Amino acid sequence: DAGVIQSPRHEVTEMGQEVTLRCKPISGHDYLFWYRQTMMRGLELLIYFNNNVPIDDSGMPEDRFSAKMPNASFSTLKIQPSEPRDSAVYFCASSLTLNTEAFFGQGTRLTVV
Amino acid sequence: GQQVMQIPQYQHVQEGEDFTTYCNSSTTLSNIQWYKQRPGGHPVFLIQLVKSGEVKKQKRLTFQFGEAKKNSSLHITATQTTDVGTYFCAGPRGYGGATNKLIFGTGTLLAVQP
Repeated sequence: DAGVIQSPRHEVTEMGQEVTLRCKPISGHDYLFWYRQTMMRGLELLIYFNNNVPIDDSGMPEDRFSAKMPNASFSTLKIQPSEPRDSAVYFCASSLTLNTEAFFGQGTRLTVV
Repeated sequence: GQQVMQIPQYQHVQEGEDFTTYCNSSTTLSNIQWYKQRPGGHPVFLIQLVKSGEVKKQKRLTFQFGEAKKNSSLHITATQTTDVGTYFCAGPRGYGGATNKLIFGTGTLLAVQP
């Protein structure tokens, strides 16, 4: 398996534009997580899915953020409209169960100007 | 809410010196995991501790879980430049609950001078 795959690796967009981040988890993993990492706030869990169903989205900053998992092999995190304060590295991770090793993707570095 | 704090935030050592980072939770943890993130990279799983007082070793790395399962430590003996990176502990929020999501600590950035 190639591991967790995220795209794009880098995204630069203008304030107000829609941004979509993509993630392909490891096949067979039932859990998928979206994290955001910044210098100020560290590594924050935004939302996680179990068997494609969103379980906890309490970490999603506001309504501008939404996440979907239409099938077991694909998830998206969308920001609309984007703001400069959304600039961060967004990681997707997957795991077999909730409390076992989480495998992280390479991350998407988002810059909103 | 549950918080997982790590100290120190940053440590600069000479190559060959030892290094220790400490992780403290405001609540009891069912288990704790440790991750390493190289500069510009992504977090990579190192180990999981489950039992009270558990100690595990990986070559020069020693991991310990406190007796009360509210703290943990990672000790590196004789650091090398390859040890550079940020070390995170992570524990599940709650204890056996349905929303047992993994909360990451604040991290300790280790710099090693050759």
